[in-house]
Amino acid sequence: SQTIHQWPATLVQPVGSPLSLECTVEGTSNPNLYWYRQAAGRGLQLLFYSVGIGQISSEVPQNLSASRPQDRQFILSSKKLLLSDSGFYLCAWGQDGEQYFGPGTRLTVT
Amino acid sequence: TQLLEQSPQFLSIQEGENLTVYCNSSSVFSSLQWYRQEPGEGPVLLVTVVTGGEVKKLKRLTFQFGDARKDSSLHITAAQPGDTGLYLCAEYSDMRFGAGTRLTVKP
Repeated sequence: SQTIHQWPATLVQPVGSPLSLECTVEGTSNPNLYWYRQAAGRGLQLLFYSVGIGQISSEVPQNLSASRPQDRQFILSSKKLLLSDSGFYLCAWGQDGEQYFGPGTRLTVT
Repeated sequence: TQLLEQSPQFLSIQEGENLTVYCNSSSVFSSLQWYRQEPGEGPVLLVTVVTGGEVKKLKRLTFQFGDARKDSSLHITAAQPGDTGLYLCAEYSDMRFGAGTRLTVKP
């Protein structure tokens, strides 16, 4: 069966520091991969999606970037965090019209 | 850009009551998913509907897709505290989510 992992689970970072969040998927090959951000108690905003290694599409101009160095690895990064980058970050994989989410990373920028 | 509107935004009911929440779109869905999310966790897929007029049941949950494929409803019968959570609808092809309905079921 397929599983999706995200780490870390929680992160507190100062403004201006770099960020690296990692997501890996097991049990499937060539999945579509997604990064979302969720404000407190609200819906999900799509940040990036990838249909293959090295292929990244950005939905929203922002302070973040994404990379897919391997088929089942998706990384969300920032060179310098802003206060507005705080939120709940979710990675998901999709296939055959459905998406499955990881457990999320709670990021607090102080 | 397709807009997904969910209503109500918040719903608080007593255990045993029935409820319905709604998801409406400004354009036709290619396919629609319903998710449930508990605090601090990722959303969990409940169902996917594709065909206009389709009805799917998952235990006490009934999902209906409108004939015109621009709206959907989720009906819960005899709600239980375990049903508490944020219910999200999503259009897969657009990868867009509604803002959700936050349901609280009180014992």
